[in-house]
Amino acid sequence: NAGVMQNPRHLVRRRGQEARLRCSPMKGHSHVYWYRQLPEEGLKFMVYLQKENIIDESGMPKERFSAEFPKEGPSILRIQQVVRGDSAAYFCASSPSRQGSGNTIYFGEGSWLTVV
Amino acid sequence: DAKTTQPPSMDCAEGRAANLPCNHSTISGNEYVYWYRQIHSQGPQYIIHGLKNNETNEMASLIITEDRKSSTLILPHATLRDTAVYYCIVRNYGQNFVFGPGTRLSVLP
Repeated sequence: NAGVMQNPRHLVRRRGQEARLRCSPMKGHSHVYWYRQLPEEGLKFMVYLQKENIIDESGMPKERFSAEFPKEGPSILRIQQVVRGDSAAYFCASSPSRQGSGNTIYFGEGSWLTVV
Repeated sequence: DAKTTQPPSMDCAEGRAANLPCNHSTISGNEYVYWYRQIHSQGPQYIIHGLKNNETNEMASLIITEDRKSSTLILPHATLRDTAVYYCIVRNYGQNFVFGPGTRLSVLP
């Protein structure tokens, strides 16, 4: 029973380049969440997606960041023109549905982005 | 903003029970209490959750007070591998999981 799979685990980008982080949810899960954790800070919600739909992007920076979850394939978090402040761990989580307060979400091991 | 208050850090001797408190005095009737932990450089790991009744699984026990304004996560026999940041989260239907600073538990040999 594979868990949430994220890749790459570590990514180094120069300032101005693009970063693409991928997330494959657990089998049977159709809801994906992205969180960011800056160095020595807590986890911050970024975006919540269902297949082909962005449900809540209230935590996404207004510029340079985008997310998608296509009908086929993994969810992608895309960061354009990266800056040093984008250096962080990006965690993806998934759940089978959002109905009901009792549902929990399961996290992947994260993707560590370093901007040099 | 997180709806919970936790001590920033705690120590526990290896082999002893670790009791991690959480205050959630403004919890509403439909909100569940969740616990996650994050071991250094890893993704958050789900531990347990509950609504009103006490819960137990292979990892831990969750004790919720009768008025639901506070709870305690119990790790019955802490090991060095339990050293982590523990997050208590209160969440209602349709809401995102909001992580606060959590409690940094250090299990000491």
